[in-house]
Amino acid sequence: GDSVTQMEGPVTLSEEAFLTINCTYTATGYPSLFWYVQYPGEGLQLLLKATKADDKGSNKGFEATYRKETTSFHLEKGSVQVSDSAVYFCALSASGGSYIPTFGRGTSLIVHP
Amino acid sequence: KAGVTQTPRYLIKTRGQQVTLSCSPISGHRSVSWYQQTPGQGLQFLFEYFSETQRNKGNFPGRFSGRQFSNSRSEMNVSTLELGDSALYLCASSSTSGGTGETQYFGPGTRLLVL
Repeated sequence: GDSVTQMEGPVTLSEEAFLTINCTYTATGYPSLFWYVQYPGEGLQLLLKATKADDKGSNKGFEATYRKETTSFHLEKGSVQVSDSAVYFCALSASGGSYIPTFGRGTSLIVHP
Repeated sequence: KAGVTQTPRYLIKTRGQQVTLSCSPISGHRSVSWYQQTPGQGLQFLFEYFSETQRNKGNFPGRFSGRQFSNSRSEMNVSTLELGDSALYLCASSSTSGGTGETQYFGPGTRLLVL
């Protein structure tokens, strides 16, 4: 079945450091890929998405590129802020059968001043 | 537009009781999904309703049920609560009848503690 694998956290960085959170997936067909973010005490919210190979999603300084050849969708940001501290979820929505998203386990990011 | 709202935000119940959680989707959204989030299992899909019909279902026991009303508001019910049902229950809505690129809009969740 479909699955998403994210790097284990927590990821701890200093402010202005470069961020990478790895995400790889297994799916049949051509899924859409998403990054969601969950701030403390809140639900998830969409950060960015890509719906076809080589698409780059971007928002709030975060970027991720849909790499079909490596089945990856790594999240990057050039300079993190304390306010980016949250849990990040990679997800896919498969093109065949149910489109209900499959989520990764989440990666906690802690940014220190 | 107002976001997805969930009530109540917090609940404390005892084993064996039942509980009903409510979700109001974004206006115009017809699909409502429910998820259980726990530290051990992560985010697990419970079920999805579209136009008052359950369209998709996850792997949860029959104690977990739901329904959707004609105004798209949804409720989920858990009967005979167990300690392991303690979790954050998230509701998400989306606008279309289905599609792989569709964004889900989440509510803040209901945190359920079973004692």
